[in-house]
Amino acid sequence: DAKTTQPTSMDCAEGRAANLPCNHSTISGNEYVYWYRQIHSQGPQYIIHGLKNNETNEMASLIITEDRKSSTLILPHATLRDTAVYYCIARPYGNNRLAFGKGNQVVVIP
Amino acid sequence: GAGVSQSPRYKVAKRGQDVALRCDPISGHVSLFWYQQALGQGPEFLTYFQNEAQLDKSGLPSDRFFAERPEGSVSTLKIQRTQQEDSAVYLCASSLVVAGGNTGELFFGEGSRLTVL
Repeated sequence: DAKTTQPTSMDCAEGRAANLPCNHSTISGNEYVYWYRQIHSQGPQYIIHGLKNNETNEMASLIITEDRKSSTLILPHATLRDTAVYYCIARPYGNNRLAFGKGNQVVVIP
Repeated sequence: GAGVSQSPRYKVAKRGQDVALRCDPISGHVSLFWYQQALGQGPEFLTYFQNEAQLDKSGLPSDRFFAERPEGSVSTLKIQRTQQEDSAVYLCASSLVVAGGNTGELFFGEGSRLTVL
């Protein structure tokens, strides 16, 4: 599985858009980019995934660069409840496991 | 229930004791996963079931770890002769689709926190 690189931590302002970066320079053609988050003392929660097109759902938007070497998760209006560890994962098609890594501790500040 | 349910939420064991952790997946979910999460780390894959078949157990750290899902629903993770390094949160996740289809999100339970003294 391709290695992903994220900041260890970052702060975001409440009410503003939060842009969470992820590098995956060795990603292969059959690997999807998945995002999960984990709020303290809870299990991880699925956010969004994509292959090469940008994706949007009720939680977030996922922007993948044309060369697929990096992506950005956008939380359009960050709230205090968005404080969590965010995981960017490169998952090959047909692979039944998620390689979480250490993630990015995002703190939304009032 | 509406989500993945795990029990017990907290378990304290003395070193050398056997423990059993239970997972009730979302009804009808075909795929079931176990993950181990050490303090300050991301979850690490342990094993995967498709219905009652254990298709991947490559993440189990030793032969002291054993998982089963005999009727394709509830699953139990058993750890024999627990060691201090087994202290972690054990997460169960289920998915509606077969994992190889790659389109199904995983729904995680809140985990069972095991502390081995």
